[in-house]
Amino acid sequence: DIVMTQSPDSLAVSLGERATINCKSSQSVLYSSNNKNYLAWYQQKPGQPPKLLIHWASTRESGVPDRFSGSGSGTDFTLTISSLQAEDVAVYYCQQYYSIPFTFGPGTKVDIK
Amino acid sequence: EVQLVESGGGLVQPGGSLRLSCAASGFTFSKYAMTWVRQAPGKGLQWVSSICAGDDNTHYADSVKGRFTISSDNSKNTLYLQMNSLRAEDTALYYCAKQSGGNCYSGVDSWGQGTLVTVSS
Repeated sequence: DIVMTQSPDSLAVSLGERATINCKSSQSVLYSSNNKNYLAWYQQKPGQPPKLLIHWASTRESGVPDRFSGSGSGTDFTLTISSLQAEDVAVYYCQQYYSIPFTFGPGTKVDIK
Repeated sequence: EVQLVESGGGLVQPGGSLRLSCAASGFTFSKYAMTWVRQAPGKGLQWVSSICAGDDNTHYADSVKGRFTISSDNSKNTLYLQMNSLRAEDTALYYCAKQSGGNCYSGVDSWGQGTLVTVSS
């Protein structure tokens, strides 16, 4: 199984400041035949289902604000919120869909400082 | 607009069975892979099972293999999860989710609100 780890477990950022979340996979999720990273980022607010933010590691889902961006390749990935807003308070998960089982990271909780 | 509405959750004794349903609308159901993801109270997300479009190929987490069966009825636009031999550790909110492609190897782009399964005597 591919193990997904995230860091930090939680972070508190001032409004308007940058938040950075890291995700690492225990093996590469880059499929060489199409040069795509099989990695997604989700946002889950309290009492709500998750919401897709980013897939293929860096492709923003339609309707997602452009302050959210994804980067990385192979085994190391980053979700960046360029200017944190109050509505961004949530838990953020990465997930690999490269191989079965499709594993999630443990989540990173983002709060306002 | 994509809508996914789960039902069938509830309280069941250990060793019992439940069948979850997910009514889908707003997209061509037969063309997309579908997935169940669960979340134990206060915990993170766990992928449970997926069914691919076209070939109806199915995949399961090791923790549910042999006990859970995923299926779909394209005529009813409905996804199912038959859960047998339930254990306390299966207690969770079960989300129905639509994947972004017909291939199972794609991200989840829409989620239902979830249905709660509680396994307890």
